[in-house]
Formats: sequence, C-alpha cells, structure tokens
Amino acid sequence: QVQLVQSGAEVKKPGASVKVSCKASGYTFTSYYMHWVRQAPGQGLEWMGIINPSGGSTSYAQKFQGRVTMTRDTSTSTVYMELSSLRSEDTAVYYCARGLNVRSAFDIWGQGTMVTVSS
Amino acid sequence: EIVMTQSPATLSVSPGERATLSCRASQSVSSNLAWYQQKPGQAPRLLIYGASTRATGIPARFSGSGSGTEFTLTISSLQSEDFAVYYCQQYNNWPPEFTFGPGTKVDIK
Repeated sequence: QVQLVQSGAEVKKPGASVKVSCKASGYTFTSYYMHWVRQAPGQGLEWMGIINPSGGSTSYAQKFQGRVTMTRDTSTSTVYMELSSLRSEDTAVYYCARGLNVRSAFDIWGQGTMVTVSS
Repeated sequence: EIVMTQSPATLSVSPGERATLSCRASQSVSSNLAWYQQKPGQAPRLLIYGASTRATGIPARFSGSGSGTEFTLTISSLQSEDFAVYYCQQYNNWPPEFTFGPGTKVDIK
C-alpha cells in the first residue's frame, strides 16, 4: 500500500540542525511531489516547502528561506528536510505529504516526526 | 500571501446532526481548495479536493462546495468518528504557496 514512513523523534539544542527523513513506498517515487508541513503543539498546520523528487527542484515558504533544505535520494525513495539554526519556536511535529502535482492537495501523509528544541 | 480564515473556531454538534463549516480566502483561489480532518495524535487526512471532490474512501456524508473566496464543508449526519479538527487549504498560487486555515474544532454537544 502507499505509505510514507518518517524517521523518529529528535531532541536538539538551540542553534543546532535537524534532518528528518521520509521514505516512500507503494508508488512511483518520481511521479509525485513531496511537501513538508509542520505543526507546533496545539497549533495549526504550516507549509514549509515542496520538492520535485524527479529533478530535485525545490520551492520554500518565505518564512523558512535560508534555513531549510529539502533533498531526495531516488535510489531509496526517500526525501529529507533539514532545518538549521533551530530555536525553541521550531518545536513541532514535522510531516511529509504527497501531492500529485505542484497545484494539488496532499493525499498521503507521513506519521509525523516530533522535533523538540530545548537547552 | 493568501490568508485563509475559518469559522466558527469551535462547533458543538450532537451525533446525527448536520455540521456546516466555513472557509474564506483573502483573494480568489478558484476551486483550488482542500479540506482535511485531523484527530488528536494523528496526521491530517484529505477529505475534499478541488473544492467539491471527495478523496478516495471518504464517506458521502462529507460534501464540499464553493469557489473563488467562499467555501463550505458540510457533514450531513455527524458520526462519533467525525469529531475532530477540520482545516481548509488553498493551493492556487504561483510560486507555490499552500496556506492553511486556522481550523474548526467539531466537538460533541
């Protein structure tokens, strides 16, 4: 079945970086875009950016420009999201989510990865 | 940036009743509007895309309508499993910008 499986929870200190992975299975990896969305505790959903697994092109939300990097490994059908210069406000659950094209809804979501930033 | 608003923030409904949730965009998003359901501790689930098309496996009691800036999600007869938070999302802009509304919590009256 189609699924996205994310890496486990992380605890980081302020100023550090975190890299979260999202492994896709059950479909052709390069035929769908992948998004990253985060959700702070008790808060709503915030879109971070998109990557095209086929060519690797990316587009990031302005808020995260310069701090986020999305990459992919087609040999393992995995996408990665790295967020640098972490601060306490980055404490959140990070989700990957699949989209059919650059203007489509997100039909499959990963289970989420909790990232805690604390000194 | 397109700003999405949702109303009400909380909707208290009895099982079997109808629930109507509203979503408004600060500028036209055509029909590029989706609705998601999220339960505590779970990832969001896609309910509706293209403003009115149910996603695979979504029961017929969920329906979406609207275009431009005004959208509605209707749950015709609430079941116990429908109590959750509902988010709308626009995906109309270029360069890509996928903004979510703040959510409507549907709880038991």
